[in-house]
Amino acid sequence: NAGVTQTPKFQVLKTGQSMTLQCAQDMNHEYMSWYRQDPGMGLRLIHYSVGAGITDQGEVPNGYNVSRSTTEDFPLRLLSAAPSQTSVYFCASSDVTPITEAFFGQGTRLTVV
Amino acid sequence: GENVEQHPSTLSVQEGDSAVIKCTYSDSASNYFPWYKQELGKGPQLIIDIRSNVGEKKDQRIAVTLNKTAKHFSLHITETQPEDSAVYFCAASKGPGGSYIPTFGRGTSLIVHP
Repeated sequence: NAGVTQTPKFQVLKTGQSMTLQCAQDMNHEYMSWYRQDPGMGLRLIHYSVGAGITDQGEVPNGYNVSRSTTEDFPLRLLSAAPSQTSVYFCASSDVTPITEAFFGQGTRLTVV
Repeated sequence: GENVEQHPSTLSVQEGDSAVIKCTYSDSASNYFPWYKQELGKGPQLIIDIRSNVGEKKDQRIAVTLNKTAKHFSLHITETQPEDSAVYFCAASKGPGGSYIPTFGRGTSLIVHP
């Protein structure tokens, strides 16, 4: 099993550009979630999904969209990138809740200039 | 909302010593407390977790204790090794039936000197 796979690993965007961060898991987990990690801070939940077709907002959802069309994939869309979205983004999956016994991907380092 | 404080922010120990990291939380309804280890350039990895109906849990050199009355929980690593060097995060959440949004501590950088 590959676990949780995120692409790309690094990305530089200009302010106002849009992009999609990809996340895929092969563990058949119902729960998937997106976190951002900023220097000196813990992870903060952006959006999560409790199953295909069902998503909900986390702590910091503004500026991000998600969809869950399949159990395996949970892409995160930045509609109009802002410098405040410069961060490391982690996708996670679990079969209990978004944080319970969660498996994390390797992360995407995003810089918005 | 929930607030999680984690201390210390940096912990330096000699190989073979024990290391203790402590987290306090504010919401008495929180019932699930995981600990994650994050190595440089990698994603967090769950190393141990505890639920509110348990006071202590051990897994080889790692243990977690929970004091619900005082609202704090601690990570204990015995016989530390250089490969234990990483950033450790605690978190608190309400789990199934409550809000799914976890609150993380700011992390502790553990340095184990050979």
